[in-house]
Amino acid sequence: DQQVKQNSPSLRVQEGRISILNCDYTNSMFDYFLWYKKYPAEGPTFLISISSIKDKNEDGRFTVFLNKSAKHLSLHIVPSQPGDSAVYFCAASSSGAGSYQLTFGKGTKLSVIP
Amino acid sequence: NAGVTQTPKFQVLKTGQSMTLQCAQDMNHEYMSWYRQDPGMGLRLIHYSVGAGITDQGEVPNGYNVSRSTTEDFPLRLLSAAPSQTSVYFCASSYIAGNYGYTFGSGTRLTVV
Repeated sequence: DQQVKQNSPSLRVQEGRISILNCDYTNSMFDYFLWYKKYPAEGPTFLISISSIKDKNEDGRFTVFLNKSAKHLSLHIVPSQPGDSAVYFCAASSSGAGSYQLTFGKGTKLSVIP
Repeated sequence: NAGVTQTPKFQVLKTGQSMTLQCAQDMNHEYMSWYRQDPGMGLRLIHYSVGAGITDQGEVPNGYNVSRSTTEDFPLRLLSAAPSQTSVYFCASSYIAGNYGYTFGSGTRLTVV
């Protein structure tokens, strides 16, 4: 049973526009959420995170929104740039036992078109 | 450069062979882990360690063995390779004190024929 779901395998966005990547989770024990970016032939790199005590976290062009009641989070990239083209993974963890285990979604491939 | 180093980058094994994937970090991170990435499956946790001498199983541990004799190194052993273990393997590390921003290695692409 998939606990972290990224239902859009791919997304195409024009340069300069907003990219919105979505993630849903089913485990109500998750209380920390992260986004990773991955380029081909490289390891994932940490992008931004949010704790369940917040509903928004912003870092430059990247903003993550968390809706706990809907068990949904989203990553907004504004404005999108061609260098943002990558696979984005949503991940979640809980602060209980085994709290250092991350559960990843399947990823969304973002293509930013010049 | 500081970070997580994985070797080898590529490997082809025959079914039944054994091998060790190496992972080393120079950031004094207590937590280390191994993930595998398969097409359409995301990243799945194989084994993890919260410090030297301590290891535990993740979501998909069967067919793999780990040990953590030092803080820096966390090798992953394939005991008897099977085609189902064809995958890209990533090692990751982080500080134990609630920092979830894992640093990943660049991966090992393994093919079992």
